[in-house]
Amino acid sequence: NAGVMQNPRHLVRRRGQEARLRCSPMKGHSHVYWYRQLPEEGLKFMVYLQKENIIDESGMPKERFSAEFPKEGPSILRIQQVVRGDSAAYFCASSPQQGVNEQYFGPGTRLTVT
Amino acid sequence: KNEVEQSPQNLTAQEGEFITINCSYSVGISALHWLQQHPGGGIVSLFMLSSGKKKHGRLIATINIQEKHSSLHITASHPRDSAVYICAVRLRIDTDKLIFGTGTRLQVFP
Repeated sequence: NAGVMQNPRHLVRRRGQEARLRCSPMKGHSHVYWYRQLPEEGLKFMVYLQKENIIDESGMPKERFSAEFPKEGPSILRIQQVVRGDSAAYFCASSPQQGVNEQYFGPGTRLTVT
Repeated sequence: KNEVEQSPQNLTAQEGEFITINCSYSVGISALHWLQQHPGGGIVSLFMLSSGKKKHGRLIATINIQEKHSSLHITASHPRDSAVYICAVRLRIDTDKLIFGTGTRLQVFP
């Protein structure tokens, strides 16, 4: 049973470009969470999704950021018109169902904006 | 003040020492997680606790719900335990999102 997969592992974008980060949850998991870790800072919640639904996006910046988890395929975190301040490690985690469950983390995508 | 506070922020130890990392939180929670982040950046879930105590190998995690406090202990520490240890809580009346402490950076020297 493969773990949570994220790709790419490293992504370099110039200011103004778009970044697309992908997360494939563990098999059988239908809940995905995205977290961001800014340099020298702790992890912060961004968004919680189930298949085809956004459950909680209270941690998402109001502009330029969006997330989806379609019926088929991976969850995608999309950042439009990236700025230097978006440089961070983006982690996704998955769990099998809502409630008090373990969350299994992916290896992260390190985004660098030049 | 952060909702989740960890201490110490940095910790160095000699191989074989007993390590304790503390986590205090100020909100009602339904569960507390201890995570390990290695220098390469990957995050591993060590424990999820709602009450009492859990043990896995040389790692022990305890939680006191009344005092809103948890500890992570490492017995017979080893250089490979060097990592950042992160405490995270799931709020009781919220979604499944986690609120994280800032982490404790542990270095174990041979």
